[in-house]
Amino acid sequence: EIVLTQSPGTLSLSPGERATLSCRASQSVSSSYLAWYQQKPGQAPRLLIYGASSRATGIPDRFSGSGSGTDFTLTISRLEPEDFAVYYCQQYGSSPGITFGQGTRLEIK
Amino acid sequence: QVQLQESGPGLVKPSETLSLTCTVSGGSISSYYWSWIRQPPGKGLEWIGYIYYSGSTNYNPSLKSRVTISVDTSKNQFSLKLSSVTAADTAVYYCARGDTPTTVTTWGQGTLVTVSS
Repeated sequence: EIVLTQSPGTLSLSPGERATLSCRASQSVSSSYLAWYQQKPGQAPRLLIYGASSRATGIPDRFSGSGSGTDFTLTISRLEPEDFAVYYCQQYGSSPGITFGQGTRLEIK
Repeated sequence: QVQLQESGPGLVKPSETLSLTCTVSGGSISSYYWSWIRQPPGKGLEWIGYIYYSGSTNYNPSLKSRVTISVDTSKNQFSLKLSSVTAADTAVYYCARGDTPTTVTTWGQGTLVTVSS
């Protein structure tokens, strides 16, 4: 089973700053099968990035994804107040299917 | 645009079976992958499994012995049954849709299920 480890656990930044979130896999992951989600309190997650670098419909271009193999990154170029949330990476494999990282909490500094 | 709505009991007794239904509106259940994902209070996301509209399934091995996901295309619904529940199964349960089995694109709002006597 592939384990996804996200870092940092919590990231404290100010609006306007750049955020860099990391997702490291215990084994190589196909870039086609790596996604990122945003979750705000009391809400369902929302798909941000799929295929490691493709933005989902309606996602602002300040969100970008990159990486390959075992190291993937979600970058938010200039933080808006509504971007402070928890972010999860997710991969798909033959077994057990879909797995998520433990999440990174992005909080206002 | 498609919307998903979970329904079912909010309280289940230990050792009993948790049953939830997801109703799909604004679109057909055909040609998509339909997942159940859960989130214990204050914790991360755990994928339970998915069903393709044709009926083929894929379950998380850690839950496979207790999970059944089924689909009713005539009602535009799919369902989750999780047997022999314990307090560890207390979570918000989300139903969700994927265009492929690899990614979840649309989520329901989630429903909290508490396992307690």
